[in-house]
Amino acid sequence: GQSLEQPSEVTAVEGAIVQINCTYQTSGFYGLSWYQQHDGGAPTFLSYNGLDGLEETGRFSSFLSRSDSYGYLLLQELQMKDSASYFCAVRSTNSNSGYALNFGKGTSLLVTP
Amino acid sequence: GAVVSQHPSRVICKSGTSVKIECRSLDFQATTMFWYRQFPKKSLMLMATSNEGSKATYEQGVEKDKFLINHASLTLSTLTVTSAHPEDSSFYICSARDSSGLNEQFFGPGTRLTVL
Repeated sequence: GQSLEQPSEVTAVEGAIVQINCTYQTSGFYGLSWYQQHDGGAPTFLSYNGLDGLEETGRFSSFLSRSDSYGYLLLQELQMKDSASYFCAVRSTNSNSGYALNFGKGTSLLVTP
Repeated sequence: GAVVSQHPSRVICKSGTSVKIECRSLDFQATTMFWYRQFPKKSLMLMATSNEGSKATYEQGVEKDKFLINHASLTLSTLTVTSAHPEDSSFYICSARDSSGLNEQFFGPGTRLTVL
């Protein structure tokens, strides 16, 4: 099976930097994705790492270490609108599920003034 | 990016009735669509995979007779919650995978179902 672990809650101050970690266990690996979800909204794609290293997209960066089965999402220059839930996800290894995404439990980020 | 729509966005129904939720890929073809369910403050749980022109594949523990899925075209999948009960109240989200090459998944805005 697959499992992903990430912290349930993180609080940070506006303008600061926050890192959300994700560790995973999976028999087959096709990359680690990150999604943002505001309350009542749909998940929106943030970043994807297929290979080791850092991917940067504006204020958001994501890192992957396949040897450690570990990745993180880094949010810089935090803004109030970044308060949301953040999910790491891996592609399912179950071909019957069409390689759907398997999500972590999500990290609720609260940005305070 | 590609757009996926869901209809309705919110529905309230009486216990025992059936509710149909539509998921459409608006500007791309999706041979595969996925239906997820999400409880408040929880993660997205895959319910089933919907393949165009064939039967859906359900995850363990999901009743196929209760959650009917039809994927009649490359841009439309429907989820029907039959004989809904209060415990079926949840946020249902679909996603569609672009079959043109990149295999990215795009999520719909979700449907909030409340069964009274």
